[in-house]
Amino acid sequence: EDQVTQSPEALRLQEGESSSLNCSYTVSGLRGLFWYRQDPGKGPEFLFTLYSAGEEKEKERLKATLTKKESFLHITAPKPEDSATYLCAVQVIQGGKLIFGQGTELSVKP
Amino acid sequence: NAGVTQTPKFRILKIGQSMTLQCAQDMNHNYMYWYRQDPGMGLKLIYYSVGAGITDKGEVPNGYNVSRSTTEDFPLRLELAAPSQTSVYFCASSYSRGSRVDTQYFGPGTRLTVL
Repeated sequence: EDQVTQSPEALRLQEGESSSLNCSYTVSGLRGLFWYRQDPGKGPEFLFTLYSAGEEKEKERLKATLTKKESFLHITAPKPEDSATYLCAVQVIQGGKLIFGQGTELSVKP
Repeated sequence: NAGVTQTPKFRILKIGQSMTLQCAQDMNHNYMYWYRQDPGMGLKLIYYSVGAGITDKGEVPNGYNVSRSTTEDFPLRLELAAPSQTSVYFCASSYSRGSRVDTQYFGPGTRLTVL
């Protein structure tokens, strides 16, 4: 069964304290892995797509990496405005649908 | 471009009532999707459409219906509302061609409560 698991469920950081969020997956065939940011009361906002193991993408303080079994979202020197829920989703080859993890709720305190 | 728009933003229904959640996109995307999001859970796919006139079930379709008469619009119908349908509903759209990986863009959501 295709499955996506994110950890931790919640993460509290001090401003400037770098850390990583994990997304592990078991799927029959990976077409792509997506990271989204979701603010309270809003829809998910696209951040990155990763296609193959070894690929990395960066945007401001965020860097996403991909291996054959998991993806990491590294947050360097976070600011309070980075507080949000981060969602990971995998698109499988069979049918092309997205399978979402349950999300990691990040809180950055000043 | 407005992107993906959804109406209403909030709605309270009584058990057994019906309603339609509206979704529209102006990006000329061929694929459209409906998800529901429950607290602490990932988004679950309800229905999706690969083009006008073509729809298919997702993971949790029971209690819902969809239609797609135009490229732009993808309404979701709840016929007999039940408390289990209390959730936040998101519509999304993407452009897909063959095996090309597509990014889904989401609307702002509709928060539905069934009492």
